Amino acid sequence: AQKVTQAQTEISVVEKEDVTLDCVYETRDTTYYLFWYKQPPSGELVFLIRRNSFDEQNEISGRYSWNFQKSTSSFNFTITASQVVDSAVYFCALSEAPHRDDKIIFGKGTRLHILP
Amino acid sequence: GAGVSQSPSNKVTEKGKDVELRCDPISGHTALYWYRQRLGQGLEFLIYFQGNSAPDKSGLPSDRFSAERTGESVSTLTIQRTQQEDSAVYLCASSLDLEGLGDTFGSGTRLTVV
Repeated sequence: AQKVTQAQTEISVVEKEDVTLDCVYETRDTTYYLFWYKQPPSGELVFLIRRNSFDEQNEISGRYSWNFQKSTSSFNFTITASQVVDSAVYFCALSEAPHRDDKIIFGKGTRLHILP
Repeated sequence: GAGVSQSPSNKVTEKGKDVELRCDPISGHTALYWYRQRLGQGLEFLIYFQGNSAPDKSGLPSDRFSAERTGESVSTLTIQRTQQEDSAVYLCASSLDLEGLGDTFGSGTRLTVV
């Protein structure tokens, strides 16, 4: 069965600090996709990244970076030089399907507070 | 429209009544999903439509929940005989099956059963 665990329910950091959000997943498939979404106070979910299981290369996008470690079944998300606008709930998610379009299982989310 | 549109944005209903939630996906998106987000909880998958294929209903929590979608257009999620435990934000998402793209989510419908 597939499962996504975000052990950190809530994190508070001071603006400009770096912060890492942890995500650990469980799956029996060799082909799967991992995602991160941001949910700001407005409630809409914003797609951040998708990574397939064959691509372990870490990704950097501006202040965001992702560390995919198959050996530990983790897909951690780091925000560098955090800003108040980064305050949101962040969800990690997993899709086991061989094709991208199948149900996605979400973690419970990590609420991130960036303090000015 | 430019994004996924959901209506109503808020709905308060009495226990036992039926409710219908609507989702307008992005034009051309073949896949459409419904999720439920209870207060302080993560997202629960409810149902998935892909083109004209039979929907994946494996996430529907009970037979009081049903959903329809005609072709690649509007979808409606119906909850019959609502219960207080149905109170949640119901999110709809649509997507194209293209590498690197994720779902586009609507703003959700906040359902309160009193």
